[in-house]
Amino acid sequence: DAKTTQPPSMDCAEGRAANLPCNHSTISGNEYVYWYRQIHSQGPQYIIHGLKNNETNEMASLIITEDRKSSTLILPHATLRDTAVYYCIVRAIKHSSNTGKLIFGQGTTLQVKP
Amino acid sequence: DGGITQSPKYLFRKEGQNVTLSCEQNLNHDAMYWYRQDPGQGLRLIYYSQIVNDFQKGDIAEGYSVSREKKESFPLTVTSAQKNPTAFYLCASSTDTNSGYTFGSGTRLTVV
Repeated sequence: DAKTTQPPSMDCAEGRAANLPCNHSTISGNEYVYWYRQIHSQGPQYIIHGLKNNETNEMASLIITEDRKSSTLILPHATLRDTAVYYCIVRAIKHSSNTGKLIFGQGTTLQVKP
Repeated sequence: DGGITQSPKYLFRKEGQNVTLSCEQNLNHDAMYWYRQDPGQGLRLIYYSQIVNDFQKGDIAEGYSVSREKKESFPLTVTSAQKNPTAFYLCASSTDTNSGYTFGSGTRLTVV
């Protein structure tokens, strides 16, 4: 699985958009980009994933560059409850020898401040 | 409601003892995973299983053992051979498609 690079920490003001970057320059054509977050002492929570196109759900938006070498997770209106560690992960799709495994890096600690 | 359950939430073990952590899911997921997390660190893969009666080692399998006799269950045994067992252990499951993982709430193991 491709490695990802994320900034170790970021701050965001409550009510503002939080933009979390991720570099995955060695991503291959059969790998999706996944985002998870982990609130202290809890299990990680799935946020969103995508392959090529931008994606949006009720939690966030995912913007993937055209060359797929980087992506940005956007929380449109951050709240204090969004304070967590955010993990960007690339994962091979079905029928790959590495199907299924998620390899977690260090993630970005997002601190939302009042 | 479907979900994944880990028990117990907190576990204390004496040095030299084996201990088994439970993970049960009712999501009908084929694949299950065990991760370990140390303070301030990301998750590291211990073992995973993509089908009943089959499992593979992850990145840090030494000192751990698993079984997958039923689709719903994937228990993890921390043996006395694991040199630093104190950690937060997370179990997850997924379908064999491109869907995300569902994680349990974790078991915090402390060796005393």
